Amino acid sequence: QSALTQPASVSGSPGQSITISCTGTSSDIGGSKYVSWYQQHPGKAPKLMIYDVSNRPSGVSNRFSGSKSGNTASLTISGLQAEDESDYYCNSYTTSSTWVFGGGTKLTVL
Amino acid sequence: QVQLQESGPGLVKPSETLSLTCTVSGYSISSGFYWGWIRQPPGKGLEWIGTIYHIGDTYYNPSLKSRVTMSVDTSKNQFSLKLISVTAADTAVYYCARDGAFLEWPYWGQGTLVTVSS
Repeated sequence: QSALTQPASVSGSPGQSITISCTGTSSDIGGSKYVSWYQQHPGKAPKLMIYDVSNRPSGVSNRFSGSKSGNTASLTISGLQAEDESDYYCNSYTTSSTWVFGGGTKLTVL
Repeated sequence: QVQLQESGPGLVKPSETLSLTCTVSGYSISSGFYWGWIRQPPGKGLEWIGTIYHIGDTYYNPSLKSRVTMSVDTSKNQFSLKLISVTAADTAVYYCARDGAFLEWPYWGQGTLVTVSS
């Protein structure tokens, strides 16, 4: 299985909104409702930000939202804050009962 | 609160076997959920290695399947990873994790760095 495709980097100014895309195939994102997103700060374990395509765990800011269209999932962060600067990874359960991660996106808050 | 802690050698020689254990507290493995291993080479992205269900069913990354074995020890509330014939490419931080109700990974260990070197 191939890693899901994410942009290597995105950037935005404080207060702006950004969107990170995650493109897969009909065997993963397109064929699964189980898409999740993770935030990872340097030297730390990943933190779940979105699950089941668009649901937020308790404690995650409502500035984070997720969506899916066809084989592409997206993570949108609105009202960017300095603390959002981090690496972000998408993950999908697949039709082969495996999981696959995206390559990761580095978000820079300008 | 579910807590996971990885343990095992931090240095493994090439061609040998990498063995890691994840000790779980705050939840009984035998009660359910999927338990997984995920790794991250230095400076690179996350890679799913495999997942074991609480009753022992296993699911492995196709690219690692020939070298990976996972098992559960419910008496110790632990699950384990074995990766044979390691090379420098297997050098990574290894995380253990537990899934939620939607096949996501809300619970993670702190990670342990395993270096493959002679």
